[in-house]
Order: sequence, then structure tokens, then C-alpha cells
Amino acid sequence: GIQVEQSPPDLILQEGANSTLRCNFSDSVNNLQWFHQNPWGQLINLFYIPSGTKQNGRLSATTVATERYSLLYISSSQTTDSGVYFCAVELTGANSKLTFGKGITLSVRP
Amino acid sequence: NAGVTQTPKFQVLKTGQSMTLQCAQDMNHEYMSWYRQDPGMGLRLIHYSVGAGITDQGEVPNGYNVSRSTTEDFPLRLLSAAPSQTSVYFCASSYGPSPLHFGNGTRLTVT
Repeated sequence: GIQVEQSPPDLILQEGANSTLRCNFSDSVNNLQWFHQNPWGQLINLFYIPSGTKQNGRLSATTVATERYSLLYISSSQTTDSGVYFCAVELTGANSKLTFGKGITLSVRP
Repeated sequence: NAGVTQTPKFQVLKTGQSMTLQCAQDMNHEYMSWYRQDPGMGLRLIHYSVGAGITDQGEVPNGYNVSRSTTEDFPLRLLSAAPSQTSVYFCASSYGPSPLHFGNGTRLTVT
């Protein structure tokens, strides 16, 4: 099956710093999503981004499907950004069989 | 809209017991799925459904059963609980190729 690798596995930031989270995948995909799991365990969809670039406030994401990677940018980080960030991919474009990476644990210190 | 609702939030079972984890969504989503989350493993797909009456296996289906009799509901049944099924279970739904919405999870402990 498709392999999803996220890096770095852990990240510690000082509040206000910027960061880039990376997701590499082993095959062509038609569906890629980024999720944030907050410290209470809730999973929130950040981006549905099979290709191109999207922005939502301080967060933005870019997927280069031809080179099989996606990047999530966090600017001016806040303590509420802490948690685990997951990338998930699927071959056909539907959400029937998403494969998740192991996640990136982000801690933002005040 | 309540979104995706999972019950119960917490459950403790003894080995060999059976139970059903409930999942309901009120967004008329056709796709529904169940994942389990274990430390260091990310989320792994157990079963999924692309519409009422249609279900299929994911990556880790053994020991679990599902049915989809209505668009709204997608229960997950543990047939005979084992300690290896101790995990956090998430239900998710979406409308076609679009952002996936998760419930708040069920934390299950099997002793």
C-alpha cells in the first residue's frame, strides 16, 4: 500500500516562531488532507489539498503532487497550535481509504 | 448540525465481552469510516462505507463488524473483545472527495 512519511516527528517552538511540516508519500494521490489533533484528542480538518496551495489565516499548505510531497506552514505560532499534525492520502480521490502518516507532535512554548 | 456524534466516550470491557460503538452524522454524508488510534501508529482504517447498504474492509478489520442500514448511522461491533483492541476509536464522514469530519472519539479499554 501507499506509504506516508511525516517529518520531523517532534517539533518545539517558541511562541511567535514559524515552522514547516512535511509529508512525503510513495505514490500518486488524488486526495491529501491535513489534520490537527488538539491536546484533548479532537481531530480537526485543516486542509483538503490534493494539489496547489491554500491559505487559512496563519496556516497555509502546498501540495506538489508530481513530486509526491506536501508542506504545512504555520506562521506566528501560538500555544493553541500545540498538538499532533497528521497528513492523510488516498489514491482514488474519495475518502474511502485514507492512509495516515504517524503524525508530527508540535509543542509551542509561551 | 451536531456533525459526527460518537457514543460512548469511554468504555471498559472484560476480555470476551461484546459491544457496539455508535456513530451518527446529520450532514447527509455518503462516506463513513471507522479508525483506531494507537500510540505511535497514527490512525488505521478498520471498516468504511460508501453508502447505505455498502461496507468494506480497511487495513485492520479483524475482530470488528459493521453495517450501514441508514445514511446517518454506522455502528462498529466488537464481537469478542481482546486486550489488543484497547485503543481510541474515531468515526468519520464526508460527502464525496471533500474534507473528512471526525467525531470526538471513544476510548476503549479491554482488561
